[in-house]
Amino acid sequence: AQSVAQPEDQVNVAEGNPLTVKCTYSVSGNPYLFWYVQYPNRGLQFLLKYITGDNLVKGSYGFEAEFNKSQTSFHLKKPSALVSDSALYFCAVRALSGGYNKLIFGAGTRLAVHP
Amino acid sequence: NAGVTQTPKFRVLKTGQSMTLLCAQDMNHEYMYWYRQDPGMGLRLIHYSVGEGTTAKGEVPDGYNVSRLKKQNFLLGLESAAPSQTSVYFCASSYELAGTLNQETQYFGPGTRLLVL
Repeated sequence: AQSVAQPEDQVNVAEGNPLTVKCTYSVSGNPYLFWYVQYPNRGLQFLLKYITGDNLVKGSYGFEAEFNKSQTSFHLKKPSALVSDSALYFCAVRALSGGYNKLIFGAGTRLAVHP
Repeated sequence: NAGVTQTPKFRVLKTGQSMTLLCAQDMNHEYMYWYRQDPGMGLRLIHYSVGEGTTAKGEVPDGYNVSRLKKQNFLLGLESAAPSQTSVYFCASSYELAGTLNQETQYFGPGTRLLVL
């Protein structure tokens, strides 16, 4: 079955410290992976994606993600967290179903950055 | 360029009432989607459309109907609302990578919060 797992409901980080939000996936074929962020009372915003090429992908707001094929992971990272990074983060994988590709989302991880 | 907009932002319904949620996009995207977001469950796909006049079922289609009469609009209907349909509904759209049937990044609307009593 094609799926995405975000093992942590919440991640707490002190401002200025590095952060990691974990994501693992299960999909047939080559994975197309995405990270989205949701701020309170807002829709999801695209952060970054991995399609092919370099395993380290850079995205918006200083975020990056590392694709690891052997561990089937796509962890989101940032070298120095900001309080304004506090939000809900979703990992997603594109999966083929019914002849078309659709996104399968993880349950989300709430990131709390403390001053 | 407004992107993806949703109407209304918030609605309260009584069990058995009907309503239609409207999604509009001005990016000329071929693909449009309706999701529901529930705590601890991420986003689940209700219905989607790969072009004007076409719709298809997603992961949780029961109790919902959709229509895509115009390319820019995607309507989600609840014929007889139930408390289990209390949720936040998000619309999204994306364009197709030329000749691949693969959609690109999805762009989301701000959401509609629905409470069914």
